[in-house]
Amino acid sequence: DAGVIQSPRHEVTEMGQEVTLRCKPISGHNSLFWYRQTMMRGLELLIYFNNNVPIDDSGMPEDRFSAKMPNASFSTLKIQPSEPRDSAVYFCASSLGLAPYEQYFGPGTRLTVT
Amino acid sequence: QQPVQSPQAVILREGEDAVINCSSSKALYSVHWYRQKHGEAPVFLMILLKGGEQKGHDKISASFNEKKQQSSLYLTASQLSYSGTYFCGTGTNAGKSTFGDGTTLTVKP
Repeated sequence: DAGVIQSPRHEVTEMGQEVTLRCKPISGHNSLFWYRQTMMRGLELLIYFNNNVPIDDSGMPEDRFSAKMPNASFSTLKIQPSEPRDSAVYFCASSLGLAPYEQYFGPGTRLTVT
Repeated sequence: QQPVQSPQAVILREGEDAVINCSSSKALYSVHWYRQKHGEAPVFLMILLKGGEQKGHDKISASFNEKKQQSSLYLTASQLSYSGTYFCGTGTNAGKSTFGDGTTLTVKP
C-alpha cells in the first residue's frame, strides 16, 4: 500500500511568492496533520484535520499560512507571501483517527525561500 | 506543553544499552515515540496510554510511569541501525501532538 504522498519534494522560491504544498493521506485514514521541522524550533504541529474538518490551527504561525482539506484524499498547505524564515521541511502525516492512533509521516517537502 | 527529553545526545558502541527519557510537568493522555533518520521522515515506534504500561518489540521497549508524567525508551544491545533522532510526542484526547526536541543516538561499530 502507498504511504502518505507529498509533493513537491523540494521547492525553491523567492520571497514574496506563493507556495502550495500538497498531501495525499493513506487511504482509509481520517485524520491529517501538517508539521514543520527546523533545527531551531524542532517538529511543530501546524494544523490538523479530522474527517476533513480543521480541528486545531493554533500552531499556524501567521495569517500567511492557510490549509485546506477539500476531501478525504487531498490536503494543501499554502504560504502567501513566503518569507525566508519559512524555510523548513514540511511534513504531512495521517492516522486512522485522533489519539491514540499512530501517525504515518510522508517524506516531507523541503522548502527554501530565498 | 512541550515535553522535555533527556539526554540531548548519546553515543554508544554496538551492543550497548541506552535509555531516553521524556517528561512533563503534568499528567499526559498519551505518549508516543518516533525515530527519524537523517533526511527521512519520523517513523512510529510505539504508543503508551496507561500509567504503569510497558511495551516493546524486538530490543526496543518503553514504559509510562504511574503518574503518566514520564516515559522512558529503552534500547537494548544497540545495533548500527538504531542510529537516528528519537522523539517523544505527547498527545491529548483531542488528537493534538506536541513533540520534544529529540535525542540524537549514534551507534558506532
